[in-house]
Amino acid sequence: ETGVTQSPTHLIKTRGQQVTLRCSSQSGHNTVSWYQQALGQGPQFIFQYYREEENGRGNFPPRFSGLQFPNYSSELNVNALELDDSALYLCASRQTGADEQYFGPGTRLTVT
Amino acid sequence: GENVEQHPSTLSVQEGDSAVIKCTYSDSASNYFPWYKQELGKRPQLIIDIRSNVGEKKDQRIAVTLNKTAKHFSLHITETQPEDSAVYFCAASVGGSEKLVFGKGTKLTVNP
Repeated sequence: ETGVTQSPTHLIKTRGQQVTLRCSSQSGHNTVSWYQQALGQGPQFIFQYYREEENGRGNFPPRFSGLQFPNYSSELNVNALELDDSALYLCASRQTGADEQYFGPGTRLTVT
Repeated sequence: GENVEQHPSTLSVQEGDSAVIKCTYSDSASNYFPWYKQELGKRPQLIIDIRSNVGEKKDQRIAVTLNKTAKHFSLHITETQPEDSAVYFCAASVGGSEKLVFGKGTKLTVNP
């Protein structure tokens, strides 16, 4: 396994609510990216954090936000949940200077 | 915007046969091309990658080829085994960034 962990495994929320998903990267992996994977689709890049700063963002609205902490953990926050936010949310960590990204097991979010 | 097309969407082969999955990308500045294997309910797992300064890379039964002129790269799996059955995703980096754009995936079934 990759050493990247995520919590919770599954989550059910109601439309309009807010959610926080967590990721713990491997030690030494200063870069973390978050992806949304809808059923039957490839992962879509949400944003990337490096040394606690966002340094890249995909086509996602501002209600998707994140945080990265010095202990290699990070969070994805989604406000005002919509039904279309139902998906598998993956974080991927990377060592500075390396190309390879290693994914966590994901959090399955269901919005009803 | 950046786009990665992946074909075929499904592929069924007999055990021992070869499997080939093809991807094309749109961003001429892409320089990193990983391939991920995702089994049902599991995380995407990096199986092989190639950088733009290399035309081919092999790792045991898996090989990847890259044609920068045609913006085309392919995954080749030889001597397929039932445990190769999974969804395979290609991806390409966006410009000089670490953002990855993924294809929609190929569901490979290896029949014993």
